[in-house]
Amino acid sequence: DGGITQSPKYLFRKEGQNVTLSCEQNLNHDAMYWYRQDPGQGLRLIYYSQIVNDFQKGDIAEGYSVSREKKESFPLTVTSAQKNPTAFYLCASTPSGRVNTEAFFGQGTRLTVV
Amino acid sequence: QKEVEQDPGPLSVPEGAIVSLNCTYSNSAFQYFMWYRQYSRKGPELLMYTYSSGNKEDGRFTAQVDKSSKYISLFIRDSQPSDSATYLCAMSALYKNAGNMLTFGGGTRLMVKP
Repeated sequence: DGGITQSPKYLFRKEGQNVTLSCEQNLNHDAMYWYRQDPGQGLRLIYYSQIVNDFQKGDIAEGYSVSREKKESFPLTVTSAQKNPTAFYLCASTPSGRVNTEAFFGQGTRLTVV
Repeated sequence: QKEVEQDPGPLSVPEGAIVSLNCTYSNSAFQYFMWYRQYSRKGPELLMYTYSSGNKEDGRFTAQVDKSSKYISLFIRDSQPSDSATYLCAMSALYKNAGNMLTFGGGTRLMVKP
């Protein structure tokens, strides 16, 4: 079955640590996205990538970094510079980055700072 | 003021009721309007997708878009306990040289009681 796989489902981070969230898709989609979801605030865009080896900052990119070395993969690193990283992180993809089409989401990673 | 406003609820209704969920927005460039359903601790899944103004029906679900009022609605007929979830509206515009940027409302939590 085609879809988006996020791992791990739950992640705990100590103060000052960098952690990386995995996102893999087998839908052959060009564009991939990372969103952060906090209670009552909907989804906010962190980073997006329209094609391999290219990515752009979203609305809340500070303290995060990404890479897009393969079409299927778009990992997100939450760095120690992100002061409030506890949230639910969602990865999504669309067939094309230039045409508005349905976004497919993964099942999310819940990150907690301990 | 947020670009997309959505009443967070929770909205509690008895089984079989007609449910009305709404969003207002401020950006007149939005052309694509979507409703996502999100179960607890899961990723959102697309319910309805509408381009520009008008109505769209799919089974028990009807999406309405009124661009003149910058107002969209999702109606659920014969609501079921399995409809209990958070409903997120999302919208986007195709900007030159920009990607498919979805702007989300904060979500409305719906509870359908047997």
